Parts: sequence; structure tokens; C-alpha cells
Amino acid sequence: GENVEQHPSTLSVQEGDSAVIKCTYSDSASNYFPWYKQELGKRPQLIIDIRSNVGEKKDQRIAVTLNKTAKHFSLHITETQPEDSAVYFCAASISNSGYSTLTFGKGTMLLVSP
Amino acid sequence: NAGVTQTPKFRVLKTGQSMTLLCAQDMNHEYMYWYRQDPGMGLRLIHYSVGEGTTAKGEVPDGYNVSRLKKQNFLLGLESAAPSQTSVYFCASSSALDTEAFFGQGTRLTVV
Repeated sequence: GENVEQHPSTLSVQEGDSAVIKCTYSDSASNYFPWYKQELGKRPQLIIDIRSNVGEKKDQRIAVTLNKTAKHFSLHITETQPEDSAVYFCAASISNSGYSTLTFGKGTMLLVSP
Repeated sequence: NAGVTQTPKFRVLKTGQSMTLLCAQDMNHEYMYWYRQDPGMGLRLIHYSVGEGTTAKGEVPDGYNVSRLKKQNFLLGLESAAPSQTSVYFCASSSALDTEAFFGQGTRLTVV
């Protein structure tokens, strides 16, 4: 089955710095890579996603890059703000016999200090 | 628009008791999922459904059963609860393959 490794497990930055979270996946057939943000006590919410036919995608201060050859993808947050503090999960989706399920990484706790 | 709603939000069970968690979505989504979230473990898929009347096993299905009798509802059952099933359970739904999954607010279950 799919295995998704996520690093680091915790990340502390100063407000205004950039933050980078990296994930690797094992199955070369994976074709969809979403990132979810989960604030304390809340539900996970999608912040950005990328598909296997795209190398990079940006949405304001966040960007995701995908390297299919190396089987890794990364989340980049620029100009971090205290409200970016949360747990971030990467995931990889496998389509199998017409169905699709997500395998999640174990999460990265991002703390942005003012 | 309620989105995905889980019932109950909190529950304490004794070992061996049974219970059912209800997930309801009002977005007419075909796909529904049950995950469990444990500290340091991320979200792990328990069971999922690709449409009304269908269910399939995920990564950690043992000790759980599910049913999808109506398109908008996905039920997760614990027949004989064990302390290892203490967790936060999230339901999610999506409209199609490889699209955004919308999560419910979670159910915190403690088995003593």
C-alpha cells in the first residue's frame, strides 16, 4: 500500500519567515497530492492541492511543488503569520479500480511566533 | 449549509459496549470516508464508501463496521469497544475522485 512520510514533525519559525514541509510517497501511481491544515480542536481543511501533471502551484502565500521522479512534494509558506500556526498534513491519493483513497502523512505542527 | 455533520461530538464507552457514530452530508457527495486520528499518527482510513449501498475496507478496519443505506448518511459501528479504539473519529465526503474532501467536526471517543 501507499506510504507517506512527512518531515519535520514540528517546525518553529518567527513571524515573517518562510516555512517548508516535505513529504515523500512510495507508490509511483499516486496522482493527487492535497495539503490539509488543522487548527487546534478543529477539522482538517484543504489549503492547496496538486496533480501529477503539474510541477508547481501557488495560491497567495502558499505554494506546493511536486517532483514525480523523486516521489516527493513540498509545501512552502512565505511571510508566515501567527494564524498559520496549526498542524499540516500532506496526503497522496491512489486511484485503484475506479476508486480513490487518501493516505496521510503524520503531520507537522507549525508554530509561528510573533 | 451544514456540510458534513457528525453525531455525537463526545462519547465515553465502557470496554465491551457498542455504539454507532452517524455522519450526514448535505452536499450530495458520492464518496464518504471514516478516519481515526491518534496523536503522532495522522489520519488513518477505517472504511469508505463510493456510493449508496457500497462499503470498502481502509487501512485500519478491524473492530469497526459501516453502512451506507442512504447516500447522505454513513454510519460507523463499534460492536465491542476496546481501549485501543480511544481516538478522534472524522467523517469526510467528496464529490468525485481526487477532489477536496470535506471533514466533519470530529467525534472524541474514550473507551475505559
